[in-house]
Amino acid sequence: GAVVSQHPSWVICKSGTSVKIECRSLDFQATTMFWYRQFPKQSLMLMATSNEGSKATYEQGVEKDKFLINHASLTLSTLTVTSAHPEDSSFYICSASHGAGVTDTQYFGPGTRLTVL
Amino acid sequence: TQLLEQSPQFLSIQEGENLTVYCNSSSVFSSLQWYRQEPGEGPVLLVTVVTGGEVKKLKRLTFQFGDARKDSSLHITAAQPGDTGLYLCAGAGGGGADGLTFGKGTHLIIQP
Repeated sequence: GAVVSQHPSWVICKSGTSVKIECRSLDFQATTMFWYRQFPKQSLMLMATSNEGSKATYEQGVEKDKFLINHASLTLSTLTVTSAHPEDSSFYICSASHGAGVTDTQYFGPGTRLTVL
Repeated sequence: TQLLEQSPQFLSIQEGENLTVYCNSSSVFSSLQWYRQEPGEGPVLLVTVVTGGEVKKLKRLTFQFGDARKDSSLHITAAQPGDTGLYLCAGAGGGGADGLTFGKGTHLIIQP
């Protein structure tokens, strides 16, 4: 149980284009989903927190107009990287949680490798 | 900004040896989690510790949460090549943040 999937697994795009990444909770309803970014040899950095039906909360330094997050249902959240540039190349990982409490376990997806040429 | 300092960053030891990875912070966390991450994959949860002083065991892995809930350790006994991977500690509830605050990770290599 508690499986989270991401699609696509990897994507290569040209600079200036937009890329959408999907995060799905397959066997549970996720009240809260989180988006993280991980650069090579570095740890995960939280980008934003999204709650179903409401606007995402972005971490300091993360541009909300560049990284559009939609959490339209309890099983799906999407992250759209708009006008992607090479510096946006990274490993994007989502996690999903039953609730928003600090002790609610976050279940992580397998990640999406984005390469912007 | 809450920080989790993880040490060591890199560790390479022989099969059968013991090791300890440390995770320290100046912040108090409601809970602390340990993950293992394989290259190109998302992190997989190993354990969650919630109570100060708590000790949890998972086969050859022993996890401890500090009394003040600011630090944690992961001890591996008789390490095996299959233990090779990136180990991450992550704190929840530090400073009211919703997401997890991750340490930089420990790259562990167990040589046969």
